[in-house]
Amino acid sequence: GQNIDQPTEMTATEGAIVQINCTYQTSGFNGLFWYQQHAGEAPTFLSYNVLDGLEEKGRFSSFLSRSKGYSYLLLKELQMKDSASYLCAVRDRTAGNKLTFGGGTRVLVKP
Amino acid sequence: ETGVTQSPTHLIKTRGQQVTLRCSSQSGHNTVSWYQQALGQGPQFIFQYYREEENGRGNFPPRFSGLQFPNYSSELNVNALELDDSALYLCASSPVGGENSYEQYFGPGTRLTVT
Repeated sequence: GQNIDQPTEMTATEGAIVQINCTYQTSGFNGLFWYQQHAGEAPTFLSYNVLDGLEEKGRFSSFLSRSKGYSYLLLKELQMKDSASYLCAVRDRTAGNKLTFGGGTRVLVKP
Repeated sequence: ETGVTQSPTHLIKTRGQQVTLRCSSQSGHNTVSWYQQALGQGPQFIFQYYREEENGRGNFPPRFSGLQFPNYSSELNVNALELDDSALYLCASSPVGGENSYEQYFGPGTRLTVT
C-alpha cells in the first residue's frame, strides 16, 4: 500500500515564502505530482517530479528525494490568490500507475 | 480545445437509490480516471478506463462501476447509495494510459449528497 503525509494547514503572509512538505511510502514509485485546489473547484496541475532534484516554474518550485521518500512544494512571493489546498500525489507502477493523493495542505495567505 | 466536463454539477439522492455521473474527456485523451473526494480530504482513486477497458481499480466495492464509450466519454455508476457516498466525484483525463501517462486534467466535479 501507500502512505502519503502532508501537514493539514499552514498560514503565511502575503509576499512571504511557504514550504509544504510531503513524505510518502510506495513500492513502485513512478512520479510525484503537486496539484492546487481552490475551495469548490477541481484540482489543477502544478508540477511533476520523477527524478531527484528541483523543478522550478515561476513562483512555484518542487523538490524530490526518492531515497528519502520526500518532496516539498515551495511557493514564493505569496499572493492572496494562492490561498488554496495543495495536494501531493504519488504514482505507483505496481498499482496500475494510479495516483494516490495525500489529504492536502490548506494554505491561508494573510495580508 | 475543450476541457473535461462533468454532469450534473450537483445531485441529491436518497439512501438505497442508484446514480449515474457523466464525464466528457478532453479532446484527444483516451484515458479517464474517477476519484471520490470527501470534504476536507484528498481525492481517492476509484478506477481508470483506457480504451474502453478498466485499467486499474482502487479500494471501492463492486457497487461502484464504470463505462467508457468509443468517443472516450465515461460514466460512473453507484448502486445502493449509502450516506458515506456523499462526496465530490472528480473525473480526470490524460492523453495516454499506462507507463507514459502524465498529467491528468480534472473536470469540475459532481457534488453528490445522499440523504
